[in-house]
Amino acid sequence: DQQVKQNSPSLSVQEGRISILNCDYTNSMFDYFLWYKKYPAEGPTFLISISSIKDKNEDGRFTVFLNKSAKHLSLHIVPSQPGDSAVYFCAARGRVNDYKLSFGAGTTVTVRA
Amino acid sequence: NAGVTQTPKFQVLKTGQSMTLQCAQDMNHNSMYWYRQDPGMGLRLIYYSASEGTTDKGEVPNGYNVSRLNKREFSLRLESAAPSQTSVYFCASSEALGNYGYTFGSGTRLTVV
Repeated sequence: DQQVKQNSPSLSVQEGRISILNCDYTNSMFDYFLWYKKYPAEGPTFLISISSIKDKNEDGRFTVFLNKSAKHLSLHIVPSQPGDSAVYFCAARGRVNDYKLSFGAGTTVTVRA
Repeated sequence: NAGVTQTPKFQVLKTGQSMTLQCAQDMNHNSMYWYRQDPGMGLRLIYYSASEGTTDKGEVPNGYNVSRLNKREFSLRLESAAPSQTSVYFCASSEALGNYGYTFGSGTRLTVV
């Protein structure tokens, strides 16, 4: 039973526009949330994270928003660039899983020129 | 380059064959993990090792065994491969179990026919 869900398997966006990726979780015991980026034939790499005590974290073109009451987080990429084309995984950590990371199914982002 | 090294990168097995996936990290990390990635399922934890000398089951341990050979190396063994074990396998490491800074290897693509 997946505790971290990414319901959109794919997203296509034009270069320069905003990409919005969504993630929902089921367990309120998660205390830290992360986004990983994965290119083909490579392992996932850490992108950005947010603690459950915050509702926003920004790093350059990437911003993560957390809505604890809705158990929902989102990743905004502004502006989107061709190099952002990749699979993005949402992950969560907390006492519910002994602080190991639980991952969502991933969203494949394609940035069109 | 420092990081997590996985071997082999590709493998085809016949049903019933056995094999061991190798993983080594040179970052002096205490914790290591094995994940599998399947379409629509994201990354699922197979086994993990919180520290040298300890191993524990993750979400999907059936059909696998692991060995934490030393602090650097964590191997995953398939004793009798089944088609359901066709997947991409990722090894990861982190400084400690609660540390969210996972570093992933580039993966092993395994096909069982």
